[in-house]
Amino acid sequence: AQSVTQLDSHVSVSEGTPVLLRCNYSSSYSPSLFWYVQHPNKGLQLLLKYTSAATLVKGINGFEAEFKKSETSFHLTKPSAHMSDAAEYFCVVGSGYSTLTFGKGTMLLVSP
Amino acid sequence: DAEITQSPRHKITETGRQVTLACHQTWNHNNMFWYRQDLGHGLRLIHYSYGVQDTNKGEVSDGYSVSRSNTEDLPLTLESAASSQTSVYFCASSHSPPGQGRSEAFFGQGTRLTVV
Repeated sequence: AQSVTQLDSHVSVSEGTPVLLRCNYSSSYSPSLFWYVQHPNKGLQLLLKYTSAATLVKGINGFEAEFKKSETSFHLTKPSAHMSDAAEYFCVVGSGYSTLTFGKGTMLLVSP
Repeated sequence: DAEITQSPRHKITETGRQVTLACHQTWNHNNMFWYRQDLGHGLRLIHYSYGVQDTNKGEVSDGYSVSRSNTEDLPLTLESAASSQTSVYFCASSHSPPGQGRSEAFFGQGTRLTVV
């Protein structure tokens, strides 16, 4: 069984300040972990993924995530928010031949 | 370029009608998925297929069916539409099982379905 919990439904930041979106997961097997982004009225785009290689994963648009097995976490960070980062972000877990399980999403709001 | 397309993008239908949402991908991916997205629930898996003639139920499959007669298409049918099925529907495909993380799952642009 697998599940993912996104700890914040909404996160508000000012442009130029750091972004932290929190995600905890559970999985019976070695997990693959993903972050997807969805801009308004758009499909989902892969930001980054962890698949048991380096624990610090770099993605597109300056985003990073760190896999911490001891904390069962996979938090998404960015040093400096941009207005174009405003979107909904989904943490996703999968393993082996399982399908993907999505978190409920975190809406990132960026103010000028 | 290879892509995944959904049609229609928007649809309004009446309660009790049968509705089919189309999903077509040109990557030649074996694995295809249907999700629904509702506020506060994220994306939930409806049905999925790991190849031609293979279909499997997901988390919220009641009232939905799929068939896979070729690699490119996985149509989603609502047998008798209900207001609870008003949602945004996303189709996705991937080369290898997505849980392995070896290949990316690509998503369509979504179909917004309203049942009145």
